[in-house]
Amino acid sequence: KNEVEQSPQNLTAQEGEFITINCSYSVGISALHWLQQHPGGGIVSLFMLSSGKKKHGRLIATINIQEKHSSLHITASHPRDSAVYICAVRSVETSGSRLTFGEGTQLTVNP
Amino acid sequence: NAGVMQNPRHLVRRRGQEARLRCSPMKGHSHVYWYRQLPEEGLKFMVYLQKENIIDESGMPKERFSAEFPKEGPSILRIQQVVRGDSAAYFCASSSDGNYGYTFGSGTRLTVV
Repeated sequence: KNEVEQSPQNLTAQEGEFITINCSYSVGISALHWLQQHPGGGIVSLFMLSSGKKKHGRLIATINIQEKHSSLHITASHPRDSAVYICAVRSVETSGSRLTFGEGTQLTVNP
Repeated sequence: NAGVMQNPRHLVRRRGQEARLRCSPMKGHSHVYWYRQLPEEGLKFMVYLQKENIIDESGMPKERFSAEFPKEGPSILRIQQVVRGDSAAYFCASSSDGNYGYTFGSGTRLTVV
């Protein structure tokens, strides 16, 4: 079993829909990251969380430390949101800021 | 303030050649991490370095792979005698003290032919 599990693996939505991507982890963490990767492109850090909730534009990230669960929400989705979204955790048991990644969620938003 | 700079963006090597991937961290960042993304797979940790020190190389293959982060200049990930299975995207990330500003580079896509 992976230390970081994401669901769903693939998600197709219509423009304007509200989207939720889930992440569960099995280790103690000091931080959780949500990342975005476009095809053939680099990786952009969307959020770093250690507790509570963060919002940036149409993106909202929440984390529940007790339940070892985080969600990434996209409101009023748009085709340009189509990308792979990756959850990554910084374990308290590993050195520095080394990250362990989920397998990613491929999001496709159709016009 | 440039971000994390990786070069080259694309690198083609024949089997048996050497590949050198470079990463310049963000200004003020002294922690560098290398990750590998094999085709159709997730990102995996390779090595964590600070200036002139390898802190954690537990994700590095035992042979042919090495990394350095000298006092001056970029961090280098070196792959000797490349094989087709080394074809992947290699990402570098940097951070300051480990608590803030974790930034990824655009990656180097290595193709071994």
